[in-house]
Amino acid sequence: DTAVSQTPKYLVTQMGNDKSIKCEQNLGHDTMYWYKQDSKKFLKIMFSYNNKELIINETVPNRFSPKSPDKAHLNLHINSLELGDSAVYFCASSQVRTSGNGEQYFGPGTRLTVT
Amino acid sequence: KNQVEQSPQSLIILEGKNCTLQCNYTVSPFSNLRWYKQDTGRGPVSLTIMTFSENTKSNGRYTATLDADTKQSSLHITASQLSDSASYICVVSAKNNTGKLIFGQGTTLQVKP
Repeated sequence: DTAVSQTPKYLVTQMGNDKSIKCEQNLGHDTMYWYKQDSKKFLKIMFSYNNKELIINETVPNRFSPKSPDKAHLNLHINSLELGDSAVYFCASSQVRTSGNGEQYFGPGTRLTVT
Repeated sequence: KNQVEQSPQSLIILEGKNCTLQCNYTVSPFSNLRWYKQDTGRGPVSLTIMTFSENTKSNGRYTATLDADTKQSSLHITASQLSDSASYICVVSAKNNTGKLIFGQGTTLQVKP
């Protein structure tokens, strides 16, 4: 069974559209994350939720809105897509509150291409 | 500012050879340092995690070292294989309860036959 799964794996869309990426983890972790990996391969944290509560919110345009219906899911909704949003988006999860090292497990990524 | 810098940016070695990747960080207060392997088109996978008190940790042919005084870490790969071709990312965690990680830019390793 896949520990952290994301859908879709590839997403091609036009500027101005609204799209969502879904993430689910079956590890029983209390914290989930969204990362953006740009063309230079740098991974940057965007958001983090702990038990459905937003705990990390980096400087990200308001067009990006995370939603956590329960602690096993963290979806990313993007409004009015722009060319610069093209990147690979990774979801991750970890057990932060009770685990010493909070090992993060990453999903396979969603490659978003905005044309 | 919390930063993680890696060198070299890229590396090409022949199959069977050893190599060492470097990582310097300025994250404070330090909690732990991780090395991740990221294959092309996949998410990062953890290789090792070291806390302040650990100065070496091995995972098969991968051995990571940590010098918390100089804030340096290295990842040594022994007897490289073609499947080692990937990006290797050094990641540092600061002491807090949010789980936030600071990523280096990665070293791209290519192992040639």
